Amino acid sequence: EVQLVESGGGLVQPGGSLRLSCAASGFTFSSYAMHWVRQAPGKGLEYVSAISSNGGSTYYANSVKGRFTISRDNSKNTLYLQMGSLRAEDMAVYYCARDPTGDYADNYFDYWGQGTLVTVSS
Amino acid sequence: SYVLTQPPSVSVAPGQTARITCGGNNIGSKSVHWYQQKPGQAPVLVVYDDSDRPSGIPERFSGSNSGNTATLTISRVEAGDEADYYCQVWDSSSDHHYVFGTGTKVTVL
Repeated sequence: EVQLVESGGGLVQPGGSLRLSCAASGFTFSSYAMHWVRQAPGKGLEYVSAISSNGGSTYYANSVKGRFTISRDNSKNTLYLQMGSLRAEDMAVYYCARDPTGDYADNYFDYWGQGTLVTVSS
Repeated sequence: SYVLTQPPSVSVAPGQTARITCGGNNIGSKSVHWYQQKPGQAPVLVVYDDSDRPSGIPERFSGSNSGNTATLTISRVEAGDEADYYCQVWDSSSDHHYVFGTGTKVTVL
């Protein structure tokens, strides 16, 4: 059974940093691209970032480019999102999601984690 | 930037058919995917590549895509289908590349 379990969310002050993790199990993690998608309270889904299966290629939405860094450790079956210079508008539930292929382009998200809440407030 | 427009809400009686539209410029030339999200839960993929269903998704869920509109159809609606539904496409010219629709709340009367 495919499982994605996010962790690392919490309360952070504006301008602060936070690292999210997504532990994967039930599939060969190193064969799949992975994504982060977020959802502000009461709002719709917003795409954040992607990484290819081998970690060699990454993509960021303009809204987080230069502030967030996506990475993965295939030996630990874990996806990360390092978030910096956090703003109030970054407050959201962050979901990790699996791509059905090793390349993150032009696909969809076949499995999602349960999400982790990031609250940005002073 | 590519925009996907969905009706904010759709109401349907149990046993009837719900149709959720997703409008976008020439969306028929793209692959459209649909997600169901129940309150407090993560999204679940219900239709991919316009009309394919993942394993475990009932046949009551179907999709179509042509011209400027994609449609998710839920036949024989059940109380458990009450949720938010989002369409999604890939558009390399958009800021987010992966574009989500605005979302539709399906209410079962």
